[in-house]
Amino acid sequence: DIQMTQSPSTLSASVGDRVTITCRASQSISSWLAWYQQKPGKVPKLLIYKASSLESGVPSRFSGSGSGTEFTLTISSLQPDDFATYYCQQYDGYPLTFGGGTKVEIK
Amino acid sequence: EMQLLESGGGLVQPGGSLRLSCASSGFTFTTYAMTWVRQAPGKGLEWVSGISHSVGTTYYADSVKGRFTVSRDNSRNTLYLQMNSLRAEDTAVYYCTNRYVNSGPFHYWGQGTLVTVSS
Repeated sequence: DIQMTQSPSTLSASVGDRVTITCRASQSISSWLAWYQQKPGKVPKLLIYKASSLESGVPSRFSGSGSGTEFTLTISSLQPDDFATYYCQQYDGYPLTFGGGTKVEIK
Repeated sequence: EMQLLESGGGLVQPGGSLRLSCASSGFTFTTYAMTWVRQAPGKGLEWVSGISHSVGTTYYADSVKGRFTVSRDNSRNTLYLQMNSLRAEDTAVYYCTNRYVNSGPFHYWGQGTLVTVSS
């Protein structure tokens, strides 16, 4: 099974900050990686797929990069609506697996 | 508009059974693999099970293998999850999601149904 490791698990930042979250796969997954945002009590929302493709309707301040085993999600200028938990997920093959999540908190 | 609507959650005793359903609309059901993802209270997302769009190949997480059975009724556009021998650690919100021709990420999610396993 492919293990997905996110870091950090918690991140404190201020509005306007540039934020970067890292996700590492235990083996190569090419670019078959997605990023989701989840707010408390809400359904996860797809932000990025195929490592760097922005889902329709997602603000351009979100971007993804990487391939193989190392991936990053970047928020160029953190907005109040961005305080949430972010998950990476590999879909290279079954079992599909998620990272443990990164909670972005207000500093 | 693509819609996924889960039902069937509730309170069940340890060792009990429950069947979840996911009624789908707004897309061609037979061209999408279907998936269950769960989230225990205060925890992260966990992929549980999936079923392919064509021949109905099934996939399971190790944590539920042998206890849960996923199935689909293409005539009713509905996905099911039969959960047997339930444990306290199965307590979670269960989400239904789909994947176009059994590839890609989860673009669409249902609202989820809560399963609580407790005596």
